[in-house]
Amino acid sequence: EIVLTQSPGTLSLSAGEGATLSCRASHSIDSKYLAWYQQKPGQAPRLLISGTSGRATGIPDRFSGSGSGTDFTLTISRLEPEDFAVYYCQQYGGSPYSFGQGTRLEIK
Amino acid sequence: QVQLQESGPGLVKPSETLSLTCSVSGGSISGIYWSWFRQPPGKGLEWIGYIHYSGSTKYNPSLESRVTISVDTSKNQFSLMLSSVTAADTAVYFCGRGGWSIDYWGRGTLVTVSS
Repeated sequence: EIVLTQSPGTLSLSAGEGATLSCRASHSIDSKYLAWYQQKPGQAPRLLISGTSGRATGIPDRFSGSGSGTDFTLTISRLEPEDFAVYYCQQYGGSPYSFGQGTRLEIK
Repeated sequence: QVQLQESGPGLVKPSETLSLTCSVSGGSISGIYWSWFRQPPGKGLEWIGYIHYSGSTKYNPSLESRVTISVDTSKNQFSLMLSSVTAADTAVYFCGRGGWSIDYWGRGTLVTVSS
């Protein structure tokens, strides 16, 4: 079973700043099988990135993903007010497909 | 625009079977994989399993003995059944399009297990 550990647990930043969110896997993952989601309270997750770095339809280019092996990163440049939410990484390279515990991005 | 909508009882008694349906509109259920997830209140996401429109399935091993996912292409729906539920199964249940990364999600439905 692949365990995903996200850090930090909470990130406090101001609008206009950049954010770097980390996702570390307990076993190496093919980069084709790593996704990132944004979730706001009371809403379903929203797909941001699939295949480590491919932006989903309609996702602004201030969101970017990178990484390989066991270390993956979601970078948000120039935070907008609507970006403050919880972010999850997901791996679908090995069953059971799993999510990290989430990083809460909050307004400083 | 594809839309998904979960439906089913919001309250299930312990030891009974949770049953939910996901209705797909704006697109055909054929040719694609479809998934179920859940999220206990205040906690993270858990993958339950997926089904291909042809009927082939893959389940989370931790739930496999209690889970059945089925598809009805004539109704453009797929369903989740989870047997022998306990309070630990209380969660918001989401359906989604895809078997891996999920590009469309339902809004989710809260299912509470309580007598």
